[in-house]
Amino acid sequence: AQKVTQAQTEISVVEKEDVTLDCVYETRDTTYYLFWYKQPPSGELVFLIRRNSFDEQNEISGRYSWNFQKSTSSFNFTITASQVVDSAVYFCALRRETSGSRLTFGEGTQLTVNP
Amino acid sequence: DTGVSQDPRHKITKRGQNVTFRCDPISEHNRLYWYRQTLGQGPEFLTYFQNEAQLEKSRLLSDRFSAERPKGSFSTLEIQRTEQGDSAMYLCASSSGAGANYEQYFGPGTRLTVT
Repeated sequence: AQKVTQAQTEISVVEKEDVTLDCVYETRDTTYYLFWYKQPPSGELVFLIRRNSFDEQNEISGRYSWNFQKSTSSFNFTITASQVVDSAVYFCALRRETSGSRLTFGEGTQLTVNP
Repeated sequence: DTGVSQDPRHKITKRGQNVTFRCDPISEHNRLYWYRQTLGQGPEFLTYFQNEAQLEKSRLLSDRFSAERPKGSFSTLEIQRTEQGDSAMYLCASSSGAGANYEQYFGPGTRLTVT
Protein backbone atom coordinates (compact mmCIF):
# COMPACT_ATOMS: atom_id res chain seq x y z
CA ALA A 1 0.00 0.00 0.00
CA GLN A 2 1.06 3.54 -0.69
CA LYS A 3 0.96 6.19 2.02
CA VAL A 4 2.08 9.80 2.31
CA THR A 5 2.35 11.61 5.63
CA GLN A 6 2.62 15.34 6.06
CA ALA A 7 2.90 15.75 9.82
CA GLN A 8 2.70 19.54 9.79
CA THR A 9 -0.94 20.52 9.49
CA GLU A 10 -0.32 24.27 9.65
CA ILE A 11 2.77 26.46 9.55
CA SER A 12 2.84 30.21 10.04
CA VAL A 13 5.90 32.32 9.25
CA VAL A 14 6.77 35.94 8.75
CA GLU A 15 7.71 37.11 5.29
CA LYS A 16 11.36 36.51 4.32
CA GLU A 17 11.72 33.57 6.68
CA ASP A 18 12.78 30.21 5.27
CA VAL A 19 10.32 27.37 5.77
CA THR A 20 10.55 23.61 5.25
CA LEU A 21 7.55 21.40 4.62
CA ASP A 22 8.04 17.76 5.55
CA CYS A 23 6.86 14.73 3.58
CA VAL A 24 7.38 11.08 4.50
CA TYR A 25 6.16 8.30 2.27
CA GLU A 26 5.66 4.54 2.38
CA THR A 27 5.83 2.18 -0.58
CA ARG A 28 7.03 -1.31 -1.32
CA ASP A 29 7.87 -0.39 -4.90
CA THR A 30 11.46 0.11 -5.93
CA THR A 31 10.51 2.53 -8.68
CA TYR A 32 8.07 5.32 -7.92
CA TYR A 33 7.49 9.03 -8.41
CA LEU A 34 7.10 11.82 -5.90
CA PHE A 35 5.36 15.14 -6.43
CA TRP A 36 4.61 18.44 -4.77
CA TYR A 37 1.51 20.44 -5.62
CA LYS A 38 0.40 23.87 -4.41
CA GLN A 39 -3.27 24.68 -3.78
CA PRO A 40 -3.87 28.42 -3.36
CA PRO A 41 -7.16 29.75 -2.00
CA SER A 42 -8.63 29.64 -5.52
CA GLY A 43 -8.59 25.86 -5.19
CA GLU A 44 -6.73 24.73 -8.30
CA LEU A 45 -3.86 22.33 -7.70
CA VAL A 46 -0.66 23.62 -9.29
CA PHE A 47 2.10 21.16 -10.15
CA LEU A 48 5.49 22.11 -8.69
CA ILE A 49 7.87 19.19 -9.13
CA ARG A 50 8.17 15.51 -10.03
CA ARG A 51 11.02 13.38 -8.74
CA ASN A 52 11.87 9.82 -9.80
CA SER A 53 12.91 7.33 -7.12
CA PHE A 54 16.19 6.56 -8.85
CA ASP A 55 17.26 10.21 -8.91
CA GLU A 56 18.23 11.43 -5.46
CA GLN A 57 19.79 14.68 -6.56
CA ASN A 58 18.35 17.66 -4.79
CA GLU A 59 16.73 20.28 -6.96
CA ILE A 60 16.53 24.04 -6.76
CA SER A 61 14.15 26.24 -8.69
CA GLY A 62 14.37 29.87 -7.72
CA ARG A 63 13.31 30.17 -4.08
CA TYR A 64 12.13 26.55 -4.02
CA SER A 65 14.29 23.55 -3.23
CA TRP A 66 13.59 19.89 -2.66
CA ASN A 67 15.53 17.36 -0.59
CA PHE A 68 14.89 13.71 -1.52
CA GLN A 69 16.33 11.05 0.78
CA LYS A 70 15.43 7.43 0.05
CA SER A 71 17.16 6.24 3.22
CA THR A 72 14.56 8.06 5.34
CA SER A 73 11.72 7.93 2.77
CA SER A 74 11.45 11.68 2.85
CA PHE A 75 10.90 14.34 0.21
CA ASN A 76 11.02 17.71 1.93
CA PHE A 77 10.28 21.07 0.36
CA THR A 78 11.97 24.33 1.38
CA ILE A 79 10.89 27.83 0.46
CA THR A 80 13.63 30.39 0.93
CA ALA A 81 12.78 34.00 1.74
CA SER A 82 9.06 33.29 1.87
CA GLN A 83 6.55 35.74 0.42
CA VAL A 84 2.89 36.39 1.15
CA VAL A 85 2.01 34.88 -2.24
CA ASP A 86 3.43 31.56 -1.04
CA SER A 87 0.46 31.22 1.32
CA ALA A 88 -1.38 28.07 0.24
CA VAL A 89 -1.91 24.43 1.06
CA TYR A 90 0.95 22.27 -0.15
CA PHE A 91 0.48 18.59 -0.96
CA CYS A 92 3.05 15.88 -1.33
CA ALA A 93 2.01 12.93 -3.50
CA LEU A 94 3.29 9.51 -4.53
CA ARG A 95 2.67 7.51 -7.68
CA ARG A 96 3.62 3.99 -8.68
CA GLU A 97 5.61 3.29 -11.81
CA THR A 98 2.64 1.71 -13.56
CA SER A 99 1.66 3.80 -16.52
CA GLY A 100 -1.45 5.80 -15.71
CA SER A 101 -1.32 5.12 -12.00
CA ARG A 102 -3.20 7.20 -9.47
CA LEU A 103 -1.66 9.82 -7.20
CA THR A 104 -1.72 9.16 -3.46
CA PHE A 105 -1.74 12.47 -1.62
CA GLY A 106 -0.80 13.46 1.88
CA GLU A 107 -3.21 15.52 3.95
CA GLY A 108 -1.48 18.76 3.11
CA THR A 109 0.26 21.53 5.01
CA GLN A 110 -1.40 24.94 5.26
CA LEU A 111 1.34 27.56 4.96
CA THR A 112 0.55 31.11 6.00
CA VAL A 113 3.11 33.79 5.30
CA ASN A 114 2.41 36.97 7.23
CA PRO A 115 3.67 40.37 6.10
CA ASP B 1 -2.68 26.06 -24.64
CA THR B 2 -5.69 26.06 -22.34
CA GLY B 3 -5.65 24.09 -19.13
CA VAL B 4 -8.09 21.57 -17.76
CA SER B 5 -11.57 23.05 -17.45
CA GLN B 6 -14.48 21.89 -15.34
CA ASP B 7 -18.14 22.81 -15.36
CA PRO B 8 -19.93 23.86 -13.26
CA ARG B 9 -17.60 25.39 -10.72
CA HIS B 10 -20.21 25.20 -7.99
CA LYS B 11 -23.30 23.05 -7.59
CA ILE B 12 -25.85 23.08 -4.80
CA THR B 13 -28.38 20.29 -4.84
CA LYS B 14 -30.89 18.69 -2.56
CA ARG B 15 -30.35 15.25 -1.18
CA GLY B 16 -31.68 12.59 -3.51
CA GLN B 17 -31.15 14.57 -6.71
CA ASN B 18 -28.81 13.54 -9.51
CA VAL B 19 -25.91 15.74 -10.59
CA THR B 20 -23.51 15.61 -13.51
CA PHE B 21 -20.14 17.31 -13.83
CA ARG B 22 -18.07 17.82 -16.94
CA CYS B 23 -14.31 17.89 -17.43
CA ASP B 24 -12.46 19.00 -20.54
CA PRO B 25 -8.81 17.91 -20.42
CA ILE B 26 -5.85 19.56 -22.08
CA SER B 27 -6.42 18.82 -25.76
CA GLU B 28 -3.56 16.45 -26.49
CA HIS B 29 -3.82 14.53 -23.22
CA ASN B 30 -5.04 10.95 -23.51
CA ARG B 31 -5.32 10.25 -19.77
CA LEU B 32 -8.02 11.68 -17.55
CA TYR B 33 -8.49 11.30 -13.80
CA TRP B 34 -11.21 12.13 -11.28
CA TYR B 35 -10.43 12.84 -7.63
CA ARG B 36 -12.53 13.92 -4.68
CA GLN B 37 -11.32 16.30 -1.99
CA THR B 38 -13.13 16.93 1.28
CA LEU B 39 -12.38 19.86 3.55
CA GLY B 40 -8.95 19.68 5.15
CA GLN B 41 -7.95 16.53 3.30
CA GLY B 42 -5.84 15.68 0.30
CA PRO B 43 -7.48 14.61 -2.95
CA GLU B 44 -8.55 10.97 -3.17
CA PHE B 45 -8.53 9.03 -6.42
CA LEU B 46 -11.88 8.01 -7.90
CA THR B 47 -11.27 6.77 -11.44
CA TYR B 48 -9.01 6.95 -14.47
CA PHE B 49 -9.46 6.83 -18.26
CA GLN B 50 -7.00 6.23 -21.00
CA ASN B 51 -8.67 7.52 -24.13
CA GLU B 52 -12.27 6.25 -23.84
CA ALA B 53 -11.44 3.21 -21.70
CA GLN B 54 -12.06 3.37 -17.97
CA LEU B 55 -9.05 1.46 -16.68
CA GLU B 56 -9.24 1.85 -12.91
CA LYS B 57 -11.92 2.60 -10.32
CA SER B 58 -11.47 3.25 -6.63
CA ARG B 59 -13.57 1.56 -3.96
CA LEU B 60 -14.74 5.10 -3.18
CA LEU B 61 -16.70 5.01 -6.42
CA SER B 62 -19.93 3.51 -5.19
CA ASP B 63 -22.74 2.26 -7.43
CA ARG B 64 -24.28 5.73 -7.34
CA PHE B 65 -21.27 7.15 -9.18
CA SER B 66 -20.63 6.68 -12.88
CA ALA B 67 -18.04 8.25 -15.14
CA GLU B 68 -17.78 8.26 -18.89
CA ARG B 69 -15.43 9.51 -21.55
CA PRO B 70 -17.33 8.57 -24.69
CA LYS B 71 -15.02 9.90 -27.40
CA GLY B 72 -11.79 10.00 -25.49
CA SER B 73 -12.02 13.75 -25.07
CA PHE B 74 -14.24 15.28 -22.36
CA SER B 75 -15.51 13.25 -19.43
CA THR B 76 -18.61 13.35 -17.26
CA LEU B 77 -19.04 12.25 -13.66
CA GLU B 78 -22.60 11.57 -12.54
CA ILE B 79 -23.75 11.08 -8.98
CA GLN B 80 -27.21 9.59 -8.55
CA ARG B 81 -29.39 10.01 -5.46
CA THR B 82 -26.93 12.40 -3.83
CA GLU B 83 -26.25 12.17 -0.11
CA GLN B 84 -24.87 14.79 2.25
CA GLY B 85 -21.63 12.81 2.43
CA ASP B 86 -21.10 13.49 -1.26
CA SER B 87 -20.44 17.15 -0.50
CA ALA B 88 -16.86 17.74 -1.62
CA MET B 89 -14.67 19.27 -4.30
CA TYR B 90 -14.51 17.06 -7.40
CA LEU B 91 -11.24 17.50 -9.24
CA CYS B 92 -10.36 16.44 -12.74
CA ALA B 93 -6.81 16.00 -13.99
CA SER B 94 -5.22 15.03 -17.28
CA SER B 95 -1.84 13.87 -18.47
CA SER B 96 -0.07 12.77 -21.59
CA GLY B 97 3.00 10.81 -22.56
CA ALA B 98 3.97 7.23 -22.82
CA GLY B 99 5.48 5.33 -19.95
CA ALA B 100 5.47 6.67 -16.43
CA ASN B 101 7.45 9.89 -16.73
CA TYR B 102 4.67 12.47 -16.60
CA GLU B 103 2.67 14.66 -14.26
CA GLN B 104 -1.03 15.27 -13.89
CA TYR B 105 -2.48 18.73 -14.44
CA PHE B 106 -5.57 19.64 -12.48
CA GLY B 107 -8.63 21.69 -13.27
CA PRO B 108 -10.24 24.22 -10.91
CA GLY B 109 -12.68 21.67 -9.53
CA THR B 110 -16.44 21.50 -9.04
CA ARG B 111 -17.58 22.18 -5.50
CA LEU B 112 -20.69 20.16 -4.67
CA THR B 113 -22.90 20.99 -1.72
CA VAL B 114 -25.72 18.59 -0.91
CA THR B 115 -28.36 20.08 1.38
